[in-house]
Amino acid sequence: ETGVTQSPTHLIKTRGQQVTLRCSSQSGHNTVSWYQQALGQGPQFIFQYYREEENGRGNFPPRFSGLQFPNYSSELNVNALELDDSALYLCASSLSVPGKETQYFGPGTRLLVL
Amino acid sequence: DAKTTQPNSMESNEEEPVHLPCNHSTISGTDYIHWYRQLPSQGPEYVIHGLTSNVNNRMASLAIAEDRKSSTLILHRATLRDAAVYYCILVFSGGYNKLIFGAGTRLAVHP
Repeated sequence: ETGVTQSPTHLIKTRGQQVTLRCSSQSGHNTVSWYQQALGQGPQFIFQYYREEENGRGNFPPRFSGLQFPNYSSELNVNALELDDSALYLCASSLSVPGKETQYFGPGTRLLVL
Repeated sequence: DAKTTQPNSMESNEEEPVHLPCNHSTISGTDYIHWYRQLPSQGPEYVIHGLTSNVNNRMASLAIAEDRKSSTLILHRATLRDAAVYYCILVFSGGYNKLIFGAGTRLAVHP
């Protein structure tokens, strides 16, 4: 059983550019969540996808968008990058079954916006 | 979203037990208490969760107060590998399971 993987591991972009981050869920998981973690802080919930539909969203602007594919892999897209978008981006997969909502996190993608 | 309160930091010696407290006075009846930890340069890792009764697994034990307004994560014998930030999170069982992380408790383990 493979765990959650993310790509790339590191990325450098300039302000105003667009970025796509990728996540491969743990086998058998139908739900993926994305989090942003600024340096020295706890992760902040961005949004969650369940069966290819957005299932909930945190306090992030529309320029943060996502996709979930039929194989349950996922993408996080960020348009018009700002300096404050520099952070570690984490994805987590889970089973959407009451009592089994444990989330399994990937190692993250570290994004630096210059 | 119900909030949790944890100490900013704690210290322990290797092979000693560690008790990490968490207060959640506004917990609702349908909130599960989850604990995750984040080792340096890694994503968060699930530790344990419970609803009302105390829980044990291979990593830790979770002691839940009778009124559910507080809980304690117990590491029975701390190792250097347990040095991490520990997050206590309330998860609503009736909807999508977003995790609302606070600042957590940074645990240092000394040899």
